[in-house]
Amino acid sequence: DGGITQSPKYLFRKEGQNVTLSCEQNLNHDAMYWYRQDPGQGLRLIYYSQIVNDFQKGDIAEGYSVSREKKESFPLTVTSAQKNPTAFYLCASEVHGTWTEAFFGQGTRLTVV
Amino acid sequence: KNEVEQSPQNLTAQEGEFITINCSYSVGISALHWLQQHPGGGIVSLFMLSSGKKKHGRLIATINIQEKHSSLHITASHPRDSAVYICAVRSRRDDKIIFGKGTRLHILP
Repeated sequence: DGGITQSPKYLFRKEGQNVTLSCEQNLNHDAMYWYRQDPGQGLRLIYYSQIVNDFQKGDIAEGYSVSREKKESFPLTVTSAQKNPTAFYLCASEVHGTWTEAFFGQGTRLTVV
Repeated sequence: KNEVEQSPQNLTAQEGEFITINCSYSVGISALHWLQQHPGGGIVSLFMLSSGKKKHGRLIATINIQEKHSSLHITASHPRDSAVYICAVRSRRDDKIIFGKGTRLHILP
């Protein structure tokens, strides 16, 4: 079955360490997105990619980095420069611009201690 | 002021009640989406609307483009409907997706 997979579901890291969150899709979608969700706030866009080897900053890109070497994969690295990394991170994909079939992953809850 | 506002923020109701969740937006849009987020965090897409009304089982979504308003209705609510419901719009101006903060629904048995 086609879908979008995020791993791991829960992640703990020590302050100052970089950590990479995985997002893989087998839907042949061109566009992939990373969102951050904090309590009481709407989803906020971190980075997005419309095609392989290209990505754009979203509203809150500082302290994050991404890559898009393959169509299926869009990993997010939370760097030590991110001031408040503890959050719930969601990955999404779509056939760009249509949003008729936007798929979301199950999310990764990152806790930095 | 947020570009997408949802009301209420929290809603607790008894099983069987008719539920309405509202979404108002201030930008021109090409589409509006209703999403459901369960306690585990995963999000499921319920509806995509650009006009009119859609129905799926006990869920009904309506949109009024002129008034920049959408509603999500749940008939004969059930405890398994307990979730956060999120309204999101795609801005016509820059194609950006803007999310509401969500409505937390709790249906009591």
